[in-house]
Amino acid sequence: GENVEQHPSTLSVQEGDSAVIKCTYSDSASNYFPWYKQELGKRPQLIIDIRSNVGEKKDQRIAVTLNKTAKHFSLHITETQPEDSAVYFCAARRVQGAQKLVFGQGTRLTINP
Amino acid sequence: GAVVSQHPSRVICKSGTSVKIECRSLDFQATTMFWYRQFPKQSLMLMATSNEGSKATYEQGVEKDKFLINHASLTLSTLTVTSAHPEDSSFYICSATLAGGSIGELFFGEGSRLTVL
Repeated sequence: GENVEQHPSTLSVQEGDSAVIKCTYSDSASNYFPWYKQELGKRPQLIIDIRSNVGEKKDQRIAVTLNKTAKHFSLHITETQPEDSAVYFCAARRVQGAQKLVFGQGTRLTINP
Repeated sequence: GAVVSQHPSRVICKSGTSVKIECRSLDFQATTMFWYRQFPKQSLMLMATSNEGSKATYEQGVEKDKFLINHASLTLSTLTVTSAHPEDSSFYICSATLAGGSIGELFFGEGSRLTVL
């Protein structure tokens, strides 16, 4: 089955700097890769996603890159702000057949003012 | 957008009792729902995949007799924690995918925090 590895587990950056979180996956058939932001006690919130037919996607300060060959995808947050502080999860799944979504271990991001 | 509602948001029960958590898709039909469990400072771990009208598929290590899942309609799945014990205390989150959808996105409920005394 699918296995998703996420690094680093914690990340602290100065406000205004960039943050990068990296994930690898094991199932070459996975074709949907979302990133979630979760605040304490709340549900995960989808912040960006990418499908396997695209190598990069950007939404304002957030971007995701995907390398299918290496089975690697990354989240990039630029111009970080204190409100970006949260736990971020990557995930992967096969869309066909409503396959399960497997999460990475999570990254606790802290933005220092 | 697609909305998934989960109830109750918090529940406290005594050890040995059973607790039912409901997950509803409010504005769409969900043939498949997923139940996750999240311990403090950990990731979301899939417990089972719930398909409407059929038996749930449980992940390895999850006791199907302890975590009963019923998906009787296209908009409702329930998780019953039977004979709950303190180690079952956790945050339980359901998610659903659109019936026949090919987009990939899952929609999450608000989560239910279970505390077993």
